[in-house]
Amino acid sequence: ETGVTQSPTHLIKTRGQQVTLRCSSQSGHNTVSWYQQALGQGPQFIFQYYREEENGRGNFPPRFSGLQFPNYSSELNVNALELDDSALYLCASSGGLAGGRDQYFGPGTRLLVL
Amino acid sequence: AQRVTQPEKLLSVFKGAPVELKCNYSYSGSPELFWYVQYSRQRLQLLLRHISRESIKGFTADLNKGETSFHLKKPFAQEEDSAMYYCALPFSGGYNKLIFGAGTRLAVHP
Repeated sequence: ETGVTQSPTHLIKTRGQQVTLRCSSQSGHNTVSWYQQALGQGPQFIFQYYREEENGRGNFPPRFSGLQFPNYSSELNVNALELDDSALYLCASSGGLAGGRDQYFGPGTRLLVL
Repeated sequence: AQRVTQPEKLLSVFKGAPVELKCNYSYSGSPELFWYVQYSRQRLQLLLRHISRESIKGFTADLNKGETSFHLKKPFAQEEDSAMYYCALPFSGGYNKLIFGAGTRLAVHP
């Protein structure tokens, strides 16, 4: 069984740029959720994808967007980066016959916006 | 509004001492609460969920609806319990879309 993987591990961007983060879900899981974790804070829910459709969104602006692919991997895109977007971005997979209710988190991508 | 509050950023105890990590919540209806843990250089992982009424690694948590609390307890702390602990509950209608507290760092000293 392969766990949740994320790429890249670290990323440095400048304000105004765009970034794409990637997540491969755990085998058998059809749902991917994305979270932003600022320094010293708990993870904040960005959005969730279920079977390639957005299935709920937290309090994040439209410049945060995502995709889910037929193999259930997912991308998080952030346009017009701001300094406050600097954070650890976590994805979590769940659902399907193998996953059920529990969420399995990836190691995260640390984004620094200068 | 749904909210999770963990009032302590850091809890420092000696090995063998009892531990209680506090979590308070606000939620309309019957919540389902979780504790997640992150050990050093490891990923965030589920520790326990209240509906299972289980004890994991000696930790238990009881949901107190009257006090809207879900405190995590362990009678005798071990050094390997040192980690970040997060209390979480799902958004209304979304059991796997979670609201997390800010977390409490537990430091267990020898």
